[in-house]
Amino acid sequence: AQSVAQPEDQVNVAEGNPLTVKCTYSVSGNPYLFWYVQYPNRGLQFLLKYITGDNLVKGSYGFEAEFNKSQTSFHLKKPSALVSDSALYFCAVRDEGGLTGGGNKLTFGTGTQLKVEL
Amino acid sequence: DGGITQSPKYLFRKEGQNVTLSCEQNLNHDAMYWYRQDPGQGLRLIYYSQIVNDFQKGDIAEGYSVSREKKESFPLTVTSAQKNPTAFYLCASSMIGTGRAEQYFGPGTRLTVT
Repeated sequence: AQSVAQPEDQVNVAEGNPLTVKCTYSVSGNPYLFWYVQYPNRGLQFLLKYITGDNLVKGSYGFEAEFNKSQTSFHLKKPSALVSDSALYFCAVRDEGGLTGGGNKLTFGTGTQLKVEL
Repeated sequence: DGGITQSPKYLFRKEGQNVTLSCEQNLNHDAMYWYRQDPGQGLRLIYYSQIVNDFQKGDIAEGYSVSREKKESFPLTVTSAQKNPTAFYLCASSMIGTGRAEQYFGPGTRLTVT
């Protein structure tokens, strides 16, 4: 079974400071990892993904994420936070084996509320 | 949200009534999904479909039904058997394949049952 943990319900950061939103995962095979952002009363927007290759993945709006296989983590980062980054962030994982059995079935974390203040 | 539409945005129903939520996509994606979102619980998968006329139960399928008669459409019916139907419902779609695993989401439908 695959699972995702987002250990922080909320992260507060000052505008201009770097931000990190944490995610750890558990899968039986190689992981496919994703980050999504959700603004109030909206659907989820795809930010970035790790499938294979370089451990540092760059995505939309200046976000990046670092895949660490030994720590089973995929933390979301941004060098300089903006007030407009304030939103709910979801990490998701899919087992490589999910291709044959369950399409692209993703398992989502419970979300981390990011609040960026002036 | 582009390419996936959900209607209506807000829906109110009385307890005991069935209600159908619409989801349409023009992305030519093979797979479609329905999720339920409750505060503090993230997203939970209700049903998914990889091909027309075929669908599978997700983690919380009880009290829900779906159909996939067209590639573009994947409506969800919330039946009176669903004990706690009030929630935010999200539809998503994706290609099927190694490098195209990301799902794209619609804007959601907020269902309130009283």
